[in-house]
Parts: sequence; structure tokens; C-alpha cells
Amino acid sequence: SQQGEEDPQALSIQEGENATMNCSYKTSINNLQWYRQNSGRGLVHLILIRSNEREKHSGRLRVTLDTSKKSSSLLITASRAADTASYFCATAPPTGANNLFFGTGTRLTVIP
Amino acid sequence: ETGVTQTPRHLVMGMTNKKSLKCEQHLGHNAMYWYKQSAKKPLELMFVYSLEERVENNSVPSRFSPECPNSSHLFLHLHTLQPEDSALYLCASSQFPGPDEQYFGPGTRLTVT
Repeated sequence: SQQGEEDPQALSIQEGENATMNCSYKTSINNLQWYRQNSGRGLVHLILIRSNEREKHSGRLRVTLDTSKKSSSLLITASRAADTASYFCATAPPTGANNLFFGTGTRLTVIP
Repeated sequence: ETGVTQTPRHLVMGMTNKKSLKCEQHLGHNAMYWYKQSAKKPLELMFVYSLEERVENNSVPSRFSPECPNSSHLFLHLHTLQPEDSALYLCASSQFPGPDEQYFGPGTRLTVT
């Protein structure tokens, strides 16, 4: 399967703590993207990391990519209640595909 | 979310009804997508359009019929659906089909009774 697989499926933390979510995939990629989805809403693009990059930052988000292990992690620092959402990784194949492949997501709950 | 809009936001229909979902993107993108999101399943890609031409059709039952009259509008026509078709239907767009980041609409929550 080309889909990413997130781990854990659900994560509950206290406000102010850091949250780490992982994504594993099975095939070569052009890039890997992380998206966020609030309950019953559309997905919002957070960050894109290319296959030749190892780490990327955006505000309180830090994404790492290890292509040798075919895995990525998303770290949210100093979490807030508003970060409560589902987080999905999506992989973009190197060539020939017209779409991204999404996983089933990690449900993050940040307790105030 | 104003970049990609979807209507209606909620839809309840019987199995014999015919209805349509509408998606509009205001981002000047060339590719548009329909996804189905069911509980505890990965997003399922249904259709991909590039410059109004269908480039991907992932073995979707014929009771779902897409239409892309221009690069800004995408429709999903529904007829004789089954209860298992109840799901959140998401529209997305990207600059080009493939590895670009995608911009999603808020979705249509469909319930088939």
C-alpha cells in the first residue's frame, strides 16, 4: 500500500505539553505532507517536506523525515486546546501518480 | 476555507433520490479532486480532474457521476445510493495534479436513508 500509517491512533495530553505523531510508509516518495482536520471539517495543509530534506519547522510545528526508515514525525510544541484535531500524513509518489495517499490519522486531544 | 467551497454542507437523501454535490475553487488551480471519508478509514480518492479532463477514476461505482464543466467547478451527481455511501465527501484542489499540496473544502456530510 502507498498509504501512510499514523501512530498512535489517538493521543491525549495536557495543555503546554509537546505532542509527537509518527507516520510510516512503504514506497518511495517525492514528498510527505501533514494535514490537520477539525471534527467534520475539511483538511488543512500544515507542512510539506521533500524527500531530500530531513527537518522542517513552521511555528510550533517541527517535521522530520527519515527516508531510510520510511518514516516521518510531527512534533507540536507547547500544545494548546485549539490544537485538538486529527492529524494526517500524506505521501506523494515520485512519478506517475495524480494524487496523494493519506493515512487514517492520529486523533489528538489537548486537555486545558 | 474560503478558497474551496462546497454545497450543501449536509444532505440527507433516500436511496431512490438524485442529488448533486457542488464544489467551487477560487484559487486558480488546475486540478480538482473528490474524496470520500468514512470513519476509521483512510481518505478514499474517487476522482481527479486536470483542466476539466478526468485523469483518475478509482473504481468508483457508477451511482457516483462526476462533472467538471470548467477548472473552477466540480460536481458529484448521486443516484440510487446505498446506506454504506453515507460519509463525508471532500473536494480539494491543487495547482497541478500530483505531489502539490491540496486545499480542501469543508465537506458535505451525506446520510443515505
